Amino acid sequence: DAGVTQSPTHLIKTRGQQVTLRCSPKSGHDTVSWYQQALGQGPQFIFQYYEEEERQRGNFPDRFSGHQFPNYSSELNVNALLLGDSALYLCASSLWRLAPHDTDTQYFGPGTRLTVL
Amino acid sequence: AQTVTQSQPEMSVQEAETVTLSCTYDTSENNYYLFWYKQPPSRQMILVIRQEAYKQQNATENRFSVNFQKAAKSFSLKISDSQLGDTAMYFCAFMNPIQGAQKLVFGQGTRLTINP
Repeated sequence: DAGVTQSPTHLIKTRGQQVTLRCSPKSGHDTVSWYQQALGQGPQFIFQYYEEEERQRGNFPDRFSGHQFPNYSSELNVNALLLGDSALYLCASSLWRLAPHDTDTQYFGPGTRLTVL
Repeated sequence: AQTVTQSQPEMSVQEAETVTLSCTYDTSENNYYLFWYKQPPSRQMILVIRQEAYKQQNATENRFSVNFQKAAKSFSLKISDSQLGDTAMYFCAFMNPIQGAQKLVFGQGTRLTINP
């Protein structure tokens, strides 16, 4: 049973460039969440996708956008990169729960380390 | 907004000892979930244990157990018979599911080192 996979593992970009990160969820999962983890910090929620729609968004600028495909995989795009965007980007997958106040556990991928020079 | 606080930036114990990591959170919600995740140097965030707020009984998973004090908004993790492989960053996380959306709010983490 394949877990959550992310690509690439590492990425180096320069300021002003654009980047796309990819995530494949754990088999059977339909929901993908993205987190940014700065060095020495806890992860910060960027947004979550279900049924190809953004369902919830954290406090991130519009430079951060995403997409979910019919096979549930997802992309995170960041435009006009800033030095402060350097971080580990984590993808997590889970099952969407329709029952009120119910939730599924999120399983994380190994992350993509983005360095902006 | 919910917040999660881990007051111990670093901890270090000897192998086979018991260690407790602290976590407090702030919320006005009644239904929520709490998690402990482990992040070893390999970077992969691994679920350690999960607690539903509506459950009185503390969750346990083998050597890992929690002390969930809802009134005090406290959620500590106890690791018994610690092993070298337990060396990692440990993050406490909170979730209040709203209409299906699942946003995890993490603490700053505790770096745990198990010494031989």
